[in-house]
Amino acid sequence: GAVVSQHPSRVICKSGTSVKIECRSLDFQATTMFWYRQFPKQSLMLMATSNEGSKATYEQGVEKDKFLINHASLTLSTLTVTSAHPEDSSFYICSAAPSSGGAISDEQFFGPGTRLTVL
Amino acid sequence: GESVGLHLPTLSVQEGDNSIINCAYSNSASDYFIWYKQESGKGPQFIIDIRSNMDKRQGQRVTVLLNKTVKHLSLQIAATQPGDSAVYFCAENMNSGGYQKVTFGTGTKLQVIP
Repeated sequence: GAVVSQHPSRVICKSGTSVKIECRSLDFQATTMFWYRQFPKQSLMLMATSNEGSKATYEQGVEKDKFLINHASLTLSTLTVTSAHPEDSSFYICSAAPSSGGAISDEQFFGPGTRLTVL
Repeated sequence: GESVGLHLPTLSVQEGDNSIINCAYSNSASDYFIWYKQESGKGPQFIIDIRSNMDKRQGQRVTVLLNKTVKHLSLQIAATQPGDSAVYFCAENMNSGGYQKVTFGTGTKLQVIP
C-alpha cells in the first residue's frame, strides 16, 4: 500500500526557534499534500494544501508567514513552523493524494505525525 | 462547518459485540466519505470509504451506511475486538477550488471491554 513518512516523529524546541517537518510519499507521487494540526482530544484541522510547484493554499485563520510550506518535488513537502511558541505545540500530520497522468486520487494517505513541543 | 470539542464522545463495547459509531456531516455537496481509525500518537488509518451514489458498503468486519437525506454516516464494526480500541473519525471529501478537501468530524473514542 501507499506509505507516507514524516520526519522527525517528535521534536522539542525552544520558544522563538524554527522547526522544519518533512512529509514524504515513499512509493507514489503526490502533486497535492495536506498539512493538519491536531490538539489533544480534538479532531484533525486542515491547515493548508500543498501543491507541487506552486504556492500552498492556507485555510482561514492559518498564518502563511508562520507556517511556511514548500512542496519542491512530487514526493516531498515541508512545513516550517517559524518563531515557534508554546501554543504551537501540537501533533502535526501530513497526508498525500496520489497523482498519475494528471489525475489526483480522492484518497489520501496519512503520515504517522510529528509531535512538536515548544518550551 | 467543523465542530471541535475538548472531550471526545466515548463508546464502550463488550468484546465480541457489534459497535455502531455515528457521524453527522455538514456539507450536502460532499461526494466522498471516509472512516479513519486513529490510535494514540499515530496518524489516521483508512478503514472504509463510500461515495455519495451509494448508501451502504461492506468491508471485512466493517460496514458503512450513508443517509444523504439527513446527512448521516455510520460505521458498524462486527464482533468488536480489543484491537479495535481507538478514536474513529468520519471525514467528508469535497472538491473545493479544483482540489479535494477533507474535513474531519469530531471523533468517537471506542473502548472495548475484554
